[in-house]
Amino acid sequence: EAGVAQSPRYKIIEKRQSVAFWCNPISGHATLYWYQQILGQGPKLLIQFQNNGVVDDSQLPKDRFSAERLKGVDSTLKIQPAKLEDSAVYLCASSLDLTNEQFFGPGTRLTVL
Amino acid sequence: RKEVEQDPGPFNVPEGATVAFNCTYSNSASQSFFWYRQDCRKEPKLLMSVYSSGNEDGRFTAQLNRASQYISLLIRDSKLSDSATYLCAVELNNDMRFGAGTRLTVKP
Repeated sequence: EAGVAQSPRYKIIEKRQSVAFWCNPISGHATLYWYQQILGQGPKLLIQFQNNGVVDDSQLPKDRFSAERLKGVDSTLKIQPAKLEDSAVYLCASSLDLTNEQFFGPGTRLTVL
Repeated sequence: RKEVEQDPGPFNVPEGATVAFNCTYSNSASQSFFWYRQDCRKEPKLLMSVYSSGNEDGRFTAQLNRASQYISLLIRDSKLSDSATYLCAVELNNDMRFGAGTRLTVKP
């Protein structure tokens, strides 16, 4: 069974630029999560989708971050404009439903210069 | 107080040693508890769920203490391949909160 796919794997941008990350969850998984993991810290939930609806985005910095999951499958996370402190690994995870085990993708490592 | 707290370590132990990690959580209404393993520059992978009655999987034992609001992970007979960061995760109302992780290095 294919796992969670993410692209790109690495991205280097300058501050104030925009960037977008893509996630394809495991087939059939209704719930999709975006996490931010800063070096030396645990993953921090940014946003959680159930199908194409947002369940929780309380920790998403909405002035610069946005995410969508239009057809309830793939998802994109955008940062516009990026700041130095956005340098982190952005992990996508999916689960069958809200209370099931989460499977993580390999992450996108973002460096903001 | 942080929602989920872990001793960052590092824990440096010899092969064959027994090592234990604790993770404390602040919200007594938390419903589900997990241990994840994260290798360097890799994604977290579920190691085991933590049940009220405790659970064991080979050399790994996880326990929950609701009264004191902590979970624990015990690793017996440590292997070199156990070297990783161990993250605890606590779920409340379908919202998962992770600790910062405890780094373990098992040495020959």
